[in-house]
Amino acid sequence: EVQLVESGGVVVQPGGSLRLSCAASGFIFNDYTMHWVRHSPGKGLEWICLISRDGGSTFYADSVKGRFTISRDNTKNSLHLQMNSLRIEDTALYYCAKGQQYFQNWGQGSLVTVSS
Amino acid sequence: QSALTQPASVSGSPGQSITISCTGTSSDVGGYNYVSWYQQHPGKAPKLMIYDVNNRPSGVSDRFSGSKSGNTASLTISGLQADDEADYYCSSFTSSNTRVFGRGTKVTVL
Repeated sequence: EVQLVESGGVVVQPGGSLRLSCAASGFIFNDYTMHWVRHSPGKGLEWICLISRDGGSTFYADSVKGRFTISRDNTKNSLHLQMNSLRIEDTALYYCAKGQQYFQNWGQGSLVTVSS
Repeated sequence: QSALTQPASVSGSPGQSITISCTGTSSDVGGYNYVSWYQQHPGKAPKLMIYDVNNRPSGVSDRFSGSKSGNTASLTISGLQADDEADYYCSSFTSSNTRVFGRGTKVTVL
């Protein structure tokens, strides 16, 4: 069974940094592109970034480019999101998701709250 | 990276069919057969319902179907049931190799 378990979400002040992690199991991790997607309160889903199977290629939404960095460790079946220069509008439930052109499986999310 | 356009809400009675539209551009929806649809119940993670425009993952009811014409994709739910009441999002691959979602449609079963 595919499992994706996010962790690391906390309350952080504007301008702060945070690192989210996603532990993957139940599939061959390095066979799949991985994504981060967020769901803000009262808003819809927003795709944030992706990383290729070998980690060699990354792509970002304009809203996070230059502030967030996606990475993966294929030896540990883990995905990470380094979030810097956090803004109030980054407050959201952050999901990791597996898939290439679509999001085949999702975790349950990790809540990030940016507040002073 | 503008969000795809979806109606804010769609409603129908049990047993009826409803259709949700998802409009993009030639750089996303219209340019590739990589449109997918997700169902999200409150407090739950999204669930893949349709991928590559009109394919259903194993386990998804055949009451759900997808199509595309030009820059607009559509999700049709036939034989509407109470459990279909949820938020639905479309998503597309883009020419920048990014992905984009629609703003979501709330489906209400009357």
